[in-house]
Amino acid sequence: ELKVEQNPLFLSMQEGKNYTIYCNYSTTSDRLYWYRQDPGKSLESLFVLLSNGAVKQEGRLMASLDTKARLSTLHITAAVHDLSATYFCAVDMNKLVFGAGTILRVKS
Amino acid sequence: SAVISQKPSRDICQRGTSLTIQCQVDSQVTMMFWYRQQPGQSLTLIATANQGSEATYESGFVIDKFPISRPNLTFSTLTVSNMSPEDSSIYLCSAGGLRETQYFGPGTRLLVL
Repeated sequence: ELKVEQNPLFLSMQEGKNYTIYCNYSTTSDRLYWYRQDPGKSLESLFVLLSNGAVKQEGRLMASLDTKARLSTLHITAAVHDLSATYFCAVDMNKLVFGAGTILRVKS
Repeated sequence: SAVISQKPSRDICQRGTSLTIQCQVDSQVTMMFWYRQQPGQSLTLIATANQGSEATYESGFVIDKFPISRPNLTFSTLTVSNMSPEDSSIYLCSAGGLRETQYFGPGTRLLVL
């Protein structure tokens, strides 16, 4: 059974700081997604990572995928308050298997 | 990207009753899925809604409790049957191509009393 583990589960950080969220998974997959969810809202697609070594960047967020290590990272650069949300990784096994989510709080 | 709407957005129901949730996509899609999300938790896949055939259910979910229809490539329904308070949750549908980004609806917040 595929397991997807995210850490940390909760992250409180100051504005302007950098941090990384990790997503480990237990079975081979070549496709991984990152989603953002604001409180009371649905999921917004951030990135799709399609192959080993893939790197995608959008604003202050950068995601990468290492399929050999079964690891994806979501790096936050110079955090701002607007990035406060819950971030989920999801591994594609012809259906999405989600991690537990990382609650990010950026403090002014 | 697909735009997905769900109805109702929220409901309060009495135990023992059933609720049908509708999911409409603005374009034809190959795949549609139904998820459950408990407050503050991750998403759990209930089933894959297959067009023209029976849905494919995940472990722990059965057709009698969660019957699903998908009459065409843009529409699906999920019924939560014989509800109990444990069914209180957010129900989300998603849609997209095979092995492509899944886009999510706004969710249906269900409270069972």
